Amino acid sequence: GAVVSQHPSWVICKSGTSVKIECRSLDFQATTMFWYRQFPKQSLMLMATSNEGSKATYEQGVEKDKFLINHASLTLSTLTVTSAHPEDSSFYICSARERRQNTNNQPQHFGDGTRLSIL
Amino acid sequence: GEDVEQSLFLSVREGDSSVINCTYTDSSSTYLYWYKQEPGAGLQLLTYIFSNMDMKQDQRLTVLLNKKDKHLSLRIADTQTGDSAIYFCAERQNTGNQFYFGTGTSLTVIP
Repeated sequence: GAVVSQHPSWVICKSGTSVKIECRSLDFQATTMFWYRQFPKQSLMLMATSNEGSKATYEQGVEKDKFLINHASLTLSTLTVTSAHPEDSSFYICSARERRQNTNNQPQHFGDGTRLSIL
Repeated sequence: GEDVEQSLFLSVREGDSSVINCTYTDSSSTYLYWYKQEPGAGLQLLTYIFSNMDMKQDQRLTVLLNKKDKHLSLRIADTQTGDSAIYFCAERQNTGNQFYFGTGTSLTVIP
């Protein structure tokens, strides 16, 4: 089945550091990828929709200068948390939409998530 | 966004059936999905159902859809300890990219 690889899986760094998280679709092309944030014991909160070759679409309340998204190829999107602070500590999950021929069923496939801890 | 609601917790004994429920508000939803999330991991797609279907069965999983009541359920037969996880339902409209996720149901299987 479709596989999405997310890297790194765990990051611990000092306050003020910028952290880059990569999301790759390994066996399919993904023109659209999504970045979510998940707080403990809560559902996923969509942060932004990443479109290959164009600017990301951010959800209301998400700072685009804080969370930089780049979708430079059909298989790679990156999320950079700039000047991270302890309140940015969270579980970040990416997903990629799989385009299928002759059907409107286009499931999202998820990476395993990145646990970000800012000291 | 759309409202997708689930009960937060469910406990069952090993070998029993589990039924996880989900309600949604958007009548234009086209595809509805069930995902499983194990601790510290991403979401794994379990199954999906198209909105013109009432039921879909896939091995131990049965999905029931009541479109009139906007109610979706996932039944897991012969529940095993490995089924312990958080289960999310999600709905998507035909015209949009965005998925709307439920609040998640934490399933605990008691040996």
